Amino acid sequence: AQTVTQSQPEMSVQEAETVTLSCTYDTSESNYYLFWYKQPPSRQMILVIRQEAYKQQNATENRFSVNFQKAAKSFSLKISDSQLGDTAMYFCAFMKSGSARQLTFGSGTQLTVLP
Amino acid sequence: SAVISQKPSRDICQRGTSLTIQCQVDSQVTMMFWYRQQPGQSLTLIATANQGSEATYESGFVIDKFPISRPNLTFSTLTVSNLSPEDSSIYLCSVVALLLNTEAFFGQGTRLTVV
Repeated sequence: AQTVTQSQPEMSVQEAETVTLSCTYDTSESNYYLFWYKQPPSRQMILVIRQEAYKQQNATENRFSVNFQKAAKSFSLKISDSQLGDTAMYFCAFMKSGSARQLTFGSGTQLTVLP
Repeated sequence: SAVISQKPSRDICQRGTSLTIQCQVDSQVTMMFWYRQQPGQSLTLIATANQGSEATYESGFVIDKFPISRPNLTFSTLTVSNLSPEDSSIYLCSVVALLLNTEAFFGQGTRLTVV
C-alpha cells in the first residue's frame, strides 16, 4: 500500500513571494504518477501539476514547479509569485500505473496568501 | 478534459434516511471512483465503480452502507444508506480517462449534512 505524507498542515506567504509545500511518499512501485491538487473553498479539486516517475526532469506549469527526488521519495511544490487566488488547500497525491488508477492523498496543506 | 456533473451539490438529511448522489460525465471514461472527505480532512477512496458489475470497495466501506451503480461508461450513483451524523461529509466523484494523460477529474462534490 502507498502512503503520502504532508507535514505542513498550514502555511502562509506574502503576495508575490515564493513558497514551497512538502510531500513525501512511500511505495514499492517503480512506475507511478504524482500530483498536486488544489481545493479552494468552492470544493472543486483542480489539478495543479503532474509528474511521471520515469521522467527525471521536474515538471513545470507556469508559476508552479516541483522538486521530484525519486530516491528520497520526495515531491515538493514550489509556487512562485504567489497570488491571492492561490489561497486553497493543497493535496499531494499518488497514483499507480497499470490498471488501478485510484489516488492516494496526503492530509493536505492549507496555504494562505497574504496581501 | 472530462466535465463532470455531480448532483446534488448539497443536502440536509434526517438520520435513518438515504441519499443518492449522481455523477454524469460528458465523455466515456475508463474508471470512476467515489471519495469521501470528512470535515477538515483529506480524501479517502470509498470504492471503484465498475461498469455492469459490483463496485470494488476499500477497507472500511461496505456495499450495504454505500451501494454503487454504474450502468454505463458515463454515469454512476452512490447511495449513502441509513444515515447517521457521522456520515456528514463531502462526497466526490472522480474519473480517469486513460487517453487523457492519466489525469483524474473531479465533480464539484456533494456536501451532506445529517441531522
